Amino acid sequence: KQEVTQIPAALSVPEGENLVLNCSFTDSAIYNLQWFRQDPGKGLTSLLLIQSSQREQTSGRLNASLDKSSGRSTLYIAASQPGDSATYLCAVRLFNTDKLIFGTGTRLQVFP
Amino acid sequence: DTGVSQDPRHKITKRGQNVTFRCDPISEHNRLYWYRQTLGQGPEFLTYFQNEAQLEKSRLLSDRFSAERPKGSFSTLEIQRTEQGDSAMYLCASSPGGFLAGDGPSYEQYFGPGTRLTVT
Repeated sequence: KQEVTQIPAALSVPEGENLVLNCSFTDSAIYNLQWFRQDPGKGLTSLLLIQSSQREQTSGRLNASLDKSSGRSTLYIAASQPGDSATYLCAVRLFNTDKLIFGTGTRLQVFP
Repeated sequence: DTGVSQDPRHKITKRGQNVTFRCDPISEHNRLYWYRQTLGQGPEFLTYFQNEAQLEKSRLLSDRFSAERPKGSFSTLEIQRTEQGDSAMYLCASSPGGFLAGDGPSYEQYFGPGTRLTVT
């Protein structure tokens, strides 16, 4: 059974810091991995999707990497801003299914 | 493109009552998904549709839960005889998926704002 874990569960940093959020999964046979952002009481916003054949994806200040063999993905946030404060979720999709399996998220707070 | 919409945004109901939620996907997205999220947890998959066909259901979807997508456009999720344990955020997502389960290019899932259910 695929399990997805995110570390740390919570993170509080001053503005301007570069951050690394971690996601690990137990079954390396994934189809893709997706990173989301969730603001309190809101739905999910897709940030990046990495196909199983890719090593990384970049969007603005965000960079996500994927290492299937070790069952890990990292989300790198450069020059963090207070507006980045949210919960960040990773989710994996396996072959032969379209459902996403989510981690429990990392709650990020960036203070001025 | 107005994104995925869900209605209502909030629902408070008494235990034992039936509730129904609606999801309107992004137009021309043929795949639609339902997830449930409890406080402090990541979303958990419930079910998904390819057009009007329900392709997969989670064990979480007990007999009290039923989902439909009658014309391959909007979808409804009904919970009968609600219990306090049903209190959660119900999230809907859509994607321009392939034709078979797990087939085709790997598309992103786009989520709606969710329906917050509170059972008292």
